[in-house]
Amino acid sequence: GAVVSQHPSWVICKSGTSVKIECRSLDFQATTMFWYRQFPKQSLMLMATSNEGSKATYEQGVEKDKFLINHASLTLSTLTVTSAHPEDSSFYICSAEATDTQYFGPGTRLTVL
Amino acid sequence: DAKTTQPPSMDCAEGRAANLPCNHSTISGNEYVYWYRQIHSQGPQYIIHGLKNNETNEMASLIITEDRKSSTLILPHATLRDTAVYYCIVKGTNAGKSTFGDGTTLTVKP
Repeated sequence: GAVVSQHPSWVICKSGTSVKIECRSLDFQATTMFWYRQFPKQSLMLMATSNEGSKATYEQGVEKDKFLINHASLTLSTLTVTSAHPEDSSFYICSAEATDTQYFGPGTRLTVL
Repeated sequence: DAKTTQPPSMDCAEGRAANLPCNHSTISGNEYVYWYRQIHSQGPQYIIHGLKNNETNEMASLIITEDRKSSTLILPHATLRDTAVYYCIVKGTNAGKSTFGDGTTLTVKP
């Protein structure tokens, strides 16, 4: 199956700093990638849809100026959490679509101190 | 996308078949049924999907009722490593995003 990677797998940062998470489709090209967030004991919540070469589409309630998404190529999308705060601590998961099926990355655990 | 309903939890004995049900009574004609699972602290793993015919792959079988209002994921010989949260998702091929419900926590016991 298609492989999606994320980097880093975990990150700890201080409050007020920015963190960038990379999502790559390793063996296929993806015009569309998705970013999800998952809090402990909860399901995945879609944050935004990332489109190659155009602006991302954010779900209701997700601040676009806080969660910056860049989909600069057909294999890479990045999510930058700007001015991170402890409440942004979560498990961030990306996915990419290949042949009508979404494949998910392994996730990035963000802890903001 | 159509909403799905799954039992919150199920147990299964190791080596036995695990049958996970999913109700999707408002499914549209062009919507597929997808199954994913998420093992603790990992990203969801694709298992199988189908439109109206039963499907089988190396991981599982998917049985969709004739009226397409429900489906069952079958893990033929469950192992301890199959313990995970299983998500049933319904979406059209052009819808892109997948909307996750609460899923079913399957616990395989020795």
